[in-house]
Amino acid sequence: NAGVTQTPKFQVLKTGQSMTLQCAQDMNHNSMYWYRQDPGMGLRLIYYSASEGTTDKGEVPNGYNVSRLNKREFSLRLESAAPSQTSVYFCASSGLGGDQPQHFGDGTRLSIL
Amino acid sequence: AQRVTQPEKLLSVFKGAPVELKCNYSYSGSPELFWYVQYSRQRLQLLLRHISRESIKGFTADLNKGETSFHLKKPFAQEEDSAMYYCALGGGNKLTFGTGTQLKVEL
Repeated sequence: NAGVTQTPKFQVLKTGQSMTLQCAQDMNHNSMYWYRQDPGMGLRLIYYSASEGTTDKGEVPNGYNVSRLNKREFSLRLESAAPSQTSVYFCASSGLGGDQPQHFGDGTRLSIL
Repeated sequence: AQRVTQPEKLLSVFKGAPVELKCNYSYSGSPELFWYVQYSRQRLQLLLRHISRESIKGFTADLNKGETSFHLKKPFAQEEDSAMYYCALGGGNKLTFGTGTQLKVEL
């Protein structure tokens, strides 16, 4: 039972480098989400995809882009990494609608030097 | 706009003592509320949701629309309850999370 799988688990980047965080779910969920988790800030929504073919900005989208590749996969890209993007990133998926519980991946710990 | 407030960053209780983790929300529609828990080095997982009206691991939460609250309670804390707890409000195809409360159960 894989659920939501994120890769990589850890990554260190230099300022200005780019990278893509990958997320895949095997629960046939329509909706997928990217969050960042920072001390004292809780989980903040970066982008989400309510259904295949759609993406929307969340609370903190600046500096990020996303791609809903298909129903299973939702990637998050940092085009030019900045130290302020040092965080733990979580991907989640759910059935359609805000009343549906979300299932989370293990997270990616990203450090930008 | 949706907003979730968890006023306590850290709550420390002794084993066997009652626990109450506070959550207040702001939402113009009919709220869908959840509690999520994150144990050390584990992924975030759903603890309970208000529409289920169930008790999970001894925890309960009652939606109080008048006070716009959804506090999480447990009568007797256990050491294994130590974790980060997040209250979340569903609406508009997304969840809004509070900033979380770290529960520490001391022996």
